[in-house]
Amino acid sequence: SAVISQKPSRDICQRGTSLTIQCQVDSQVTMMFWYRQQPGQSLTLIATANQGSEATYESGFVIDKFPISRPNLTFSTLTVSNMSPEDSSIYLCSVAGTSTDTQYFGPGTRLTVL
Amino acid sequence: GQNIDQPTEMTATEGAIVQINCTYQTSGFNGLFWYQQHAGEAPTFLSYNVLDGLEEKGRFSSFLSRSKGYSYLLLKELQMKDSASYLCAVSSAYSGAGSYQLTFGKGTKLSVIP
Repeated sequence: SAVISQKPSRDICQRGTSLTIQCQVDSQVTMMFWYRQQPGQSLTLIATANQGSEATYESGFVIDKFPISRPNLTFSTLTVSNMSPEDSSIYLCSVAGTSTDTQYFGPGTRLTVL
Repeated sequence: GQNIDQPTEMTATEGAIVQINCTYQTSGFNGLFWYQQHAGEAPTFLSYNVLDGLEEKGRFSSFLSRSKGYSYLLLKELQMKDSASYLCAVSSAYSGAGSYQLTFGKGTKLSVIP
C-alpha cells in the first residue's frame, strides 16, 4: 500500500482563520478523498479530490468552506475556511487505485478551533 | 441512502473469540470493508468482502451475506493490542454517476480485558 503523509499533524487555530492541510502520497494514485472525523464519531466523506478538475463535494459540504486542490496524482490540499469551534475535528485524506479499490488513510490532522 | 448499524461497544477477554456484527441497507452494493482504528490514530484496512462467504486472514476473519445485508468480523485469540474501534464500511454506487463511495458505520469500540 502507498505511504501517505499529512501536514500539519495537529494545529490549534483561532476562530475566523483558515488552515490548509496537505496530503502527500509516495506514488501516483487515481483517487484521493478527504474525510472528517468529529470527536467520538465515525468518518464522514467531505469530497473526492479530482486531478485537473473541481472536487466533488458530498451533501452538506461546499467549496467555499472546504476548498480543495489536486494539482497532480500524488498531492492534494484541503482548506478549512473561516473556522469555528464546530470545525474542531480530525481531517483525514485517503487514497485508492480506483473508485472501487480499498482506501488507505493518512495519519490525519487533528484540528482544534478556539 | 445508506444505513449501517453495528454495536457501539463490546468487551471480551484476552485469548477469547469475539464477533462484531454489521448490518447494512444500501443500493448499488459493491463490497464491504472492515477497518481497525486505535485511539488517536488513522483507520487501517483489515478486510474486504464482495462475495458471500468467509474470508480468513490470520486471527481475523470476515463474513458477508449480501442477501441478508449482514457482515461480521471475527477476532480469534484476542490480544490486549486488539483493543480498538472496528469500523464497518460499505462501498456503494454514488448517485448514479458511475463511481462508488465508502460509507462508514459509527464503529464498535472493543475493549480486551485480562
